[in-house]
Amino acid sequence: AQSVTQLGSHVSVSEGALVLLRCNYSSSVPPYLFWYVQYPNQGLQLLLKYTTGATLVKGINGFEAEFKKSETSFHLTKPSAHMSDAAEYFCAETGGTSYGKLTFGQGTILTVHP
Amino acid sequence: DADVTQTPRNRITKTGKRIMLECSQTKGHDRMYWYRQDPGLGLRLIYYSFDVKDINKGEISDGYSVSRQAQAKFSLSLESAIPNQTALYFCATSETRRGTGGELFFGEGSRLTVL
Repeated sequence: AQSVTQLGSHVSVSEGALVLLRCNYSSSVPPYLFWYVQYPNQGLQLLLKYTTGATLVKGINGFEAEFKKSETSFHLTKPSAHMSDAAEYFCAETGGTSYGKLTFGQGTILTVHP
Repeated sequence: DADVTQTPRNRITKTGKRIMLECSQTKGHDRMYWYRQDPGLGLRLIYYSFDVKDINKGEISDGYSVSRQAQAKFSLSLESAIPNQTALYFCATSETRRGTGGELFFGEGSRLTVL
């Protein structure tokens, strides 16, 4: 069964600092990979996704992620954190052609300090 | 108006009661899903439907049932609610189109509390 591991349930950074949220996936077939963000009392919103092609994927709000097959990783980064980035972030994968049957990580709560 | 609408947004009920959570979508997608979110566990798939005549169990379907009334409507039922079904429930949709990776579009969630 597929699994997604997000390292660190809570990450705290200062405003302007680098944001790094870690994600490792388990799929043995070419995965589709996603990062979603959830703001308080809201649903999940897609940040970015990797399907095929370029391994460095750019998303909304200045976030990007790099697919590294050799490390089975899809870490999310942002060069400079903003207070509005405070939210919970979820990494997810779907293996092969299992469209929509996403397996989610446990989530990482990002706190941004002034 | 939201593309994926869930009702009710909040519900408090008692153990043993029957509860239905409803989801409707205007995105025209053929695939619909119900996920459950618990703190520290992420989202887990309860049921999914790839079209009106196709219903499939997810990883945590025990204690739940679903109905796909139309392409745009997918409801989740708890026949006899228990406290450990207290959670935030999300409906989601996706389209069957190569290259999308099956991106999910989520509703705003239904918070259920079972006392």
